[in-house]
Amino acid sequence: AQKITQTQPGMFVQEKEAVTLDCTYDTSDQSYGLFWYKQPSSGEMIFLIYQGSYDEQNATEGRYSLNFQKARKSANLVISASQLGDSAMYFCAMSRPSNTGKLIFGQGTTLQVKP
Amino acid sequence: DAGVTQSPTHLIKTRGQQVTLRCSPKSGHDTVSWYQQALGQGPQFIFQYYEEEERQRGNFPDRFSGHQFPNYSSELNVNALLLGDSALYLCASSSLRQPQHFGDGTRLSIL
Repeated sequence: AQKITQTQPGMFVQEKEAVTLDCTYDTSDQSYGLFWYKQPSSGEMIFLIYQGSYDEQNATEGRYSLNFQKARKSANLVISASQLGDSAMYFCAMSRPSNTGKLIFGQGTTLQVKP
Repeated sequence: DAGVTQSPTHLIKTRGQQVTLRCSPKSGHDTVSWYQQALGQGPQFIFQYYEEEERQRGNFPDRFSGHQFPNYSSELNVNALLLGDSALYLCASSSLRQPQHFGDGTRLSIL
């Protein structure tokens, strides 16, 4: 069975600094997708970044990058130059081969950015 | 370009009642997935619809059912509501090689 583990319930970061949110996963599949989503207090789930298991390069999207270490089964999210608007809950998720497959989510990490 | 839209935004029901939640997918998306998110938890997959059929289902009882229409919009129905059904219900749409995009959710409260 697939499982996502996020061990940091809450994180603080100073504005303009970088922060890493941890995510480890467990799966017996060879092909899978890894995702990060942001959920502000208003509730909507915002897609941030995607990494395929066969992608050799780490994914990047603007200030977001995904530090993918396949052997360690980790997919940490790095946010550079934190902004106050980054304060939110962050979820790591994985899916089976197709991008349209069901997502398995972790418990989430609450990030607070301090001015 | 409209994203995923869900209605209603909030809903209050009593135990034993039935509820229908609605979702319109993002333009160009043909697959709709539904998730239940309890307070302080990550979303849990309920089921997914593609070509008007349920393609995958999570570990939810038969009280949870759904439908997808020819225009790709979808409904989630929950019968015999329990207090434990109180949650944020999220709809996500996607298409081949595209990540799932979520709506703002419907917050369901059971009294």
